[in-house]
Amino acid sequence: GQQVQQSPASLVLQEGENAELQCNFSSTATRLQWFYQHPGGRLVSLFYNPSGTKHTGRLTSTTVTNERRSSLHISSSQTTDSGTYFCAFRGSALGRLHFGAGTQLIVIP
Amino acid sequence: DTTVKQNPRYKLARVGKPVNLICSQTMNHDTMYWYQKKPNQAPKLLLFYYDKILNREADTFEKFQSSRPNNSFCSLYIGSAGLEYSAMYLCASSPDQGAGSDYTFGSGTRLLVI
Repeated sequence: GQQVQQSPASLVLQEGENAELQCNFSSTATRLQWFYQHPGGRLVSLFYNPSGTKHTGRLTSTTVTNERRSSLHISSSQTTDSGTYFCAFRGSALGRLHFGAGTQLIVIP
Repeated sequence: DTTVKQNPRYKLARVGKPVNLICSQTMNHDTMYWYQKKPNQAPKLLLFYYDKILNREADTFEKFQSSRPNNSFCSLYIGSAGLEYSAMYLCASSPDQGAGSDYTFGSGTRLLVI
């Protein structure tokens, strides 16, 4: 079954607006990560965040482990934030990452 | 160098022909992974090596092969390409197989089968 669900599937913002991306996962063994996929294809790790809140620049990730959810907040969005954001977690000791289907973000000027 | 390198960047293959994709990393990571990514879909794990041990996913077991002759290098081999193999293939590595460390992904190889 679907182990990672992301919402929304797509999002269009005006530059300067904030974005809130959601991730719900089926396992309590999290090791949750957020990735950003450039339009060209490379996946870049944004956060490794199994629990709590982490910040980097305009990005904030909050994971509530016992509620099996995580969020990614983008403040003051820029056109360069456009791309696809993936949530993924490791559900076993063998390191498999289970990915969600992603949220496609488009930021227009 | 903290990057994962993939070659080639783009690959065109004929139906029925073999395809070999290459990945390397010099971070001395224990584990190397291959994912398949199609448009509007989640990356799908195909297989991974933990050290010299190959683990293949059950639903792709017969379709993909791999080799890891040394810690730095890992290949993905398709014996007979079909149209459904057209996708982006992403290689990744991590320092271990279970603890909290990050994955590092390569830029991917975009395969088109015609």
